[in-house]
Amino acid sequence: SQTIHQWPATLVQPVGSPLSLECTVEGTSNPNLYWYRQAAGRGLQLLFYSVGIGQISSEVPQNLSASRPQDRQFILSSKKLLLSDSGFYLCAWSVSLAGGETQYFGPGTRLLVL
Amino acid sequence: KQEVTQIPAALSVPEGENLVLNCSFTDSAIYNLQWFRQDPGKGLTSLLLIQSSQREQTSGRLNASLDKSSGRSTLYIAASQPGDSATYLCAVSQSTSYGKLTFGQGTILTVHP
Repeated sequence: SQTIHQWPATLVQPVGSPLSLECTVEGTSNPNLYWYRQAAGRGLQLLFYSVGIGQISSEVPQNLSASRPQDRQFILSSKKLLLSDSGFYLCAWSVSLAGGETQYFGPGTRLLVL
Repeated sequence: KQEVTQIPAALSVPEGENLVLNCSFTDSAIYNLQWFRQDPGKGLTSLLLIQSSQREQTSGRLNASLDKSSGRSTLYIAASQPGDSATYLCAVSQSTSYGKLTFGQGTILTVHP
């Protein structure tokens, strides 16, 4: 069966510090991978998606970047965190099927920037 | 730009009631629509996926309907239980942006004993 892991679960970082959040998927090959942010009162927003190694698409301009160094690894990074980067970050994976696809979400990382 | 709206924002019901959650979207050119459940501080769990060519999907006490032309979906929960308490999110996948989901703000459901 497929599983998706995210770490860390919780992170408190000072403004201006770097960030690295990791997401890995097990039990599937060549998944589509996604990073979402859920901020209080703003719903769930798609940040990045990837259809393959080294292929990253950005949905919104921001202070963050994403990389996919391996097939089942997706990393969210920042060189200098802003207060507005605080939120709940969710990684998801899906497999493209002819009849449609379902996205499966990880447990999330709660980031607080102080 | 696709926009998804969920009504009501919050709902509190006694155990045993049947209830309906509503979702509307502005662009009817969707590939599919999904309903998710999110428990506090947790990730999302997919409940039902309706393809654009379908009218409804059922899973246990849950039934989701889709009226693509009018841009509406409903999630019907029968015989609600305290364990159903969670935030329910509706999301659509655009035909032109395969796999990318646009989410509503969610409905916070509380079922009290």
